[in-house]
Amino acid sequence: QSVLTQPPSVSAAPGQKVTISCSGSSSNIGNNYVSWYLQLPGTAPKLLIYDNNKRPSGIPDRFSGSKSGTSATLGITGLQTGDEANYYCGTWDASLNAKVFGGGTKLTVL
Amino acid sequence: QVQLQESGPGLVKPSQTLSLTCAVSGASISRGSNYWSWIRQPAGKGLEWIGRIYTTGSSDYNPPLKSRVSISADTSKNQFTLKLNSVTAADTAVYYCAREASEASYGMDVWGQGTTVTVSS
Repeated sequence: QSVLTQPPSVSAAPGQKVTISCSGSSSNIGNNYVSWYLQLPGTAPKLLIYDNNKRPSGIPDRFSGSKSGTSATLGITGLQTGDEANYYCGTWDASLNAKVFGGGTKLTVL
Repeated sequence: QVQLQESGPGLVKPSQTLSLTCAVSGASISRGSNYWSWIRQPAGKGLEWIGRIYTTGSSDYNPPLKSRVSISADTSKNQFTLKLNSVTAADTAVYYCAREASEASYGMDVWGQGTTVTVSS
């Protein structure tokens, strides 16, 4: 059971937009920055978003992040088949004194 | 360009100690404000943070694993090591090392490729 809650799967057609939610509490998302990671099959995770909504260099602006209260959202526009992957949110939990992740969301581009 | 590379035994017997090393190039683990972390992922499952070590040598551990885990650093070799004792089959996973970068508010901006550890007799 993950501390952060994500939908197990989402899907959308190529070219469309999709959002992935990440729900937490005041001890984690509510008072800490959220990061998002993409993991392609058989590879290590890759940082997509940090500071709730900032993109590392090299990450296209099709990817965006936002946070409101104890929830965060990853948005992906102009979906491509290459975006099919698992996406994870993560943040610090001050009650656990530990880094926590969501359970992951599998994106299918139909 | 910062790179991380995990190494260690791929097979560990139950009740023994799992020991993995992460070699860092392109950055110093003893300078700056970064954390150096271990994360694991059982096959087909999500990510689990194990713990991290700071440039000063202080460390944080995930509470469920805290009694069995230690992370240490060898600054002369620019590498850090994970030790997990009393392993069981539940510790079978891909183990990653990563940098939690201060410039990214401690998002994990660089990852190793991962190493698979199987716990079996």
